[in-house]
Amino acid sequence: AQRVTQPEKLLSVFKGAPVELKCNYSYSGSPELFWYVQYSRQRLQLLLRHISRESIKGFTADLNKGETSFHLKKPFAQEEDSAMYYCALSGQGGFKTIFGAGTRLFVKA
Amino acid sequence: GAGVSQSPSNKVTEKGKDVELRCDPISGHTALYWYRQRLGQGLEFLIYFQGNSAPDKSGLPSDRFSAERTGESVSTLTIQRTQQEDSAVYLCASRNIVPGTGGYGYTFGSGTRLTVV
Repeated sequence: AQRVTQPEKLLSVFKGAPVELKCNYSYSGSPELFWYVQYSRQRLQLLLRHISRESIKGFTADLNKGETSFHLKKPFAQEEDSAMYYCALSGQGGFKTIFGAGTRLFVKA
Repeated sequence: GAGVSQSPSNKVTEKGKDVELRCDPISGHTALYWYRQRLGQGLEFLIYFQGNSAPDKSGLPSDRFSAERTGESVSTLTIQRTQQEDSAVYLCASRNIVPGTGGYGYTFGSGTRLTVV
């Protein structure tokens, strides 16, 4: 069965500190992994996809198939990074995406 | 349109009444999705459409929930005989190609906040 687990509901860090939002998944095939972000009073939006291997707003995420993880990292957190972050998984064919419960990141000044 | 539009943005209804939630996807997006988000929880998949057919409706919680889509445009999610546990934000998304990546992602609407009293 497909499952996405985000173990932390809330993560609080100081500005300039490194941040890592954890995501673990369960899927029997080759998944596609995503991170979505929702800033205050804004819509949920795509942050990055594992296939692209890109860095968006300083965030990166590496798919670790051995550990079935897709943690989101940023070396120096900024106050504007404060938001709700959702890890998501699509199976082969990509027509259905399931989401984790989300982690609220709070970056303190 | 330029984005995914959902209406109404807020809906308060009495227990037992029927409600209709509307989603207008981005023009040309063939895949359309409905999710539910209860307070403090993640997004729960309800149903998706490819064109006007629904290959996966496995997430609909009960037979009180139904959805339809006209062609590749508007979709309506209907909840009959609403219950208090139906209170949630209902999100619609359409699937699009992410520029510069060749891959896809979802574009979400702003959601309909349903409160059943």
